[in-house]
Amino acid sequence: DADVTQTPRNRITKTGKRIMLECSQTKGHDRMYWYRQDPGLGLRLIYYSFDVKDINKGEISDGYSVSRQAQAKFSLSLESAIPNQTALYFCATNGLTRPLRSNQPQHFGDGTRLSIL
Amino acid sequence: SQQGEEDPQALSIQEGENATMNCSYKTSINNLQWYRQNSGRGLVHLILIRSNEREKHSGRLRVTLDTSKKSSSLLITASRAADTASYFCATAPNTGNQFYFGTGTSLTVIP
Repeated sequence: DADVTQTPRNRITKTGKRIMLECSQTKGHDRMYWYRQDPGLGLRLIYYSFDVKDINKGEISDGYSVSRQAQAKFSLSLESAIPNQTALYFCATNGLTRPLRSNQPQHFGDGTRLSIL
Repeated sequence: SQQGEEDPQALSIQEGENATMNCSYKTSINNLQWYRQNSGRGLVHLILIRSNEREKHSGRLRVTLDTSKKSSSLLITASRAADTASYFCATAPNTGNQFYFGTGTSLTVIP
């Protein structure tokens, strides 16, 4: 089984709809991230969370919200989807090295391809 | 934006040749990481180099880091068709907790 699982893998929906993308992980990591990927722009960070009570905005958080329901689960919501939110969305997790507490590499899910018409 | 940039954006080579891609970034870093992305899949970590390291090897991969120029390079030696993918660098800054990904290099290895 995959360490980081995203659902759904593909979604087509209409402008104005509410959408939730889900991410679960079996890595036991505290840190979880949501990115979007657009052609030619690389990955841009939407939100990140370092534990269940911690939510932080990333570079492009407008129009999105997140919920960290448990250590293993981090969901991304689009309250009212618009066409320019059409993109590939990735969830990622990582831990910290001990004792230096520097960032370890991230582990990614396989992404959700979201199309908004 | 604090995103880095990869250069070139696209690279096409024959199998057996070496592939070199470069990454430039903007902030002081704790470490720099390279990732690979196959079409339609998530990113997979390849190699991490710390800010106090200048060169690192892993199999056919060689990474260099020049913190004075804020740049890194990834060399894939003796390329194979299976190396066809996009490659991204990501920086972990000294301050803050975010990773910053570059725009990626699309590598095509022709059999």
